[in-house]
Amino acid sequence: KAGVTQTPRYLIKTRGQQVTLSCSPISGHRSVSWYQQTPGQGLQFLFEYFSETQRNKGNFPGRFSGRQFSNSRSEMNVSTLELGDSALYLCASSLSRDRVETQYFGPGTRLLVL
Amino acid sequence: TQLLEQSPQFLSIQEGENLTVYCNSSSVFSSLQWYRQEPGEGPVLLVTVVTGGEVKKLKRLTFQFGDARKDSSLHITAAQPGDTGLYLCAGNTGNQFYFGTGTSLTVIP
Repeated sequence: KAGVTQTPRYLIKTRGQQVTLSCSPISGHRSVSWYQQTPGQGLQFLFEYFSETQRNKGNFPGRFSGRQFSNSRSEMNVSTLELGDSALYLCASSLSRDRVETQYFGPGTRLLVL
Repeated sequence: TQLLEQSPQFLSIQEGENLTVYCNSSSVFSSLQWYRQEPGEGPVLLVTVVTGGEVKKLKRLTFQFGDARKDSSLHITAAQPGDTGLYLCAGNTGNQFYFGTGTSLTVIP
């Protein structure tokens, strides 16, 4: 089974621009979560989508948004980029089995904002 | 404030030494996962523990879930350079995953 894929792997943008990142979950996984990882803050939860609906949201400003499509693929968008948005953005898909949910991560998208 | 605190934050040891990483919280988790992450890559799942007091072994790695399901530990026996990486614990409250602060391990040959 193919793992979680994320595109693009690397991205350079300038302040004020917007960016869209894509995530394809493992086949059969209906839940997709997004995280931001920085050296100072560690892994911070952005949001989770399940069956095209946002199920959970972290404490990030409205500039960060996401959506999920009927095939479970997900995108996240960051508008009006700031220097502090430079980070590794990770997508995780998850599956519940015997009431235990397990997350599997993609390789991440490294975003650099100049 | 982090829901999960990991200690130590950094660890540098010689090849062949043993080490233990701790993951502590005041919250109860329905399950807890450990991941290892290498620079520029996504975290790779090592293990999931579910039952209080559960112990799981993965070659030289031993994982334990606390009896009250609030804490966990990872013990590595005879560490090797290939064990180098960032170790992350993640607890599931049933509603959301919360990640620990991470332990950066360097094993020197």
